[in-house]
Amino acid sequence: QLVLTQSPSASASLGASVKLTCTLSSGHSSYAIAWHQQQPEKGPRYLMKVNSDGSHSKGDGIPDRFSGSSSGAERYLTISSLQSEDEADYYCQTWGTGIRVFGGGTKLTVL
Amino acid sequence: EVQLVESGGGLVQPGGSLRLSCAASGFTFSSYRMNWVRQAPGKGLEWVSYISTGSSTMYYADSVKGRFTISRDNARNSLYLQMSSLRAEDTAVYYCARERSDGLHPPDYWGQGTLVTVSS
Repeated sequence: QLVLTQSPSASASLGASVKLTCTLSSGHSSYAIAWHQQQPEKGPRYLMKVNSDGSHSKGDGIPDRFSGSSSGAERYLTISSLQSEDEADYYCQTWGTGIRVFGGGTKLTVL
Repeated sequence: EVQLVESGGGLVQPGGSLRLSCAASGFTFSSYRMNWVRQAPGKGLEWVSYISTGSSTMYYADSVKGRFTISRDNARNSLYLQMSSLRAEDTAVYYCARERSDGLHPPDYWGQGTLVTVSS
């Protein structure tokens, strides 16, 4: 079964960096994933696609502060030079024939 | 500018029906696959349904299979979700989202959502 696992929460200081993790279920380590950001009271916004080899492609207008990487079944989103507007929920998402799956989301607090 | 604008949400009684719409602009709608995704109050994102560019293929989450029907009208640049036999647990903000037709990319644009409340 295709499942994505995320930590419920993370925090980091203004100006620092943070690395969020999304873990693919057993047998699905070759899957690409997407990262989506949802700021409070807003709709989701696509950030990037992260492939199993660590390459990533960002959505329109996404700042260079956002980057993606991979290791095995884990996919990462790194945000550097944290700003107050980065405080949001971050969801990873993947897809296969007949299914699209979201992780439970990570709530990022900027201290 | 890519725009997806959902409408049709509102308050409906359990067992009732509702039809959501998503109006697309700023891109060639017929070239993109489309999805509905929902978010219950205080909860995470849940994929609901998918439709291919030419409406030949539709998929549904198990939670809505047999109750919801996705459709599209490429001439009107519009996506629809017909919801019936609604339950309290269908209460959520419903988003439409597009994805490229090559099957290699995730949804890359989302609408702002429309709220559906199922309550007596």
